[in-house]
Amino acid sequence: DVKVTQSSRYLVKRTGEKVFLECVQDMDHENMFWYRQDPGLGLRLIYFSYDVKMKEKGDIPEGYSVSREKKERFSLILESASTNQTSMYLCASSLRAGAEAFFGQGTRLTVV
Amino acid sequence: GENVEQHPSTLSVQEGDSAVIKCTYSDSASNYFPWYKQELGKRPQLIIDIRSNVGEKKDQRIAVTLNKTAKHFSLHITETQPEDSAVYFCAASRGRAGGYQKVTFGTGTKLQVIP
Repeated sequence: DVKVTQSSRYLVKRTGEKVFLECVQDMDHENMFWYRQDPGLGLRLIYFSYDVKMKEKGDIPEGYSVSREKKERFSLILESASTNQTSMYLCASSLRAGAEAFFGQGTRLTVV
Repeated sequence: GENVEQHPSTLSVQEGDSAVIKCTYSDSASNYFPWYKQELGKRPQLIIDIRSNVGEKKDQRIAVTLNKTAKHFSLHITETQPEDSAVYFCAASRGRAGGYQKVTFGTGTKLQVIP
């Protein structure tokens, strides 16, 4: 079974803090994604990566950055957390183009 | 970039009836269209997908149709059961050589099946 694991299930951070969300997949997938999920807005793509050190902006990259130093790990960084970044964050990975995406369990981030 | 619209946002059906969820996409380069089901408190999971060279695909009680010309695709669930109650997401994906894949999701449909 493919396993996509996010480092935290719940996280509470203060405004202005630098926040790291970690995601690890164990199936040698090429692609990794970060989405945020908000009621009524669905899953919005923040950043994605199709190879080590390769990354592309998604639809809502402002206020976020990412890092992919190793194939299995994809990190989402909130440079200076703000309350409007309170959300559920979902990581996903896929083997190649046109393949199923497997999701992590999600990290519910609250910024106070 | 790609824009995926999904309707309706909520859908209530009686057990045994059919449910239809519709999506449109904007990027003609999209060539893979998966549907995900997310049960309460759980992660989204793939239930069916269709590629751009196919017009229809069926798997037991669920089917997906694709109209490339009109850029829309639909999910059909027949003989609905209470366990079909969940949020359903459509998505449009485009890829290129080297494994690159960008997956854009719709806003979701909350399906309630009433026993």
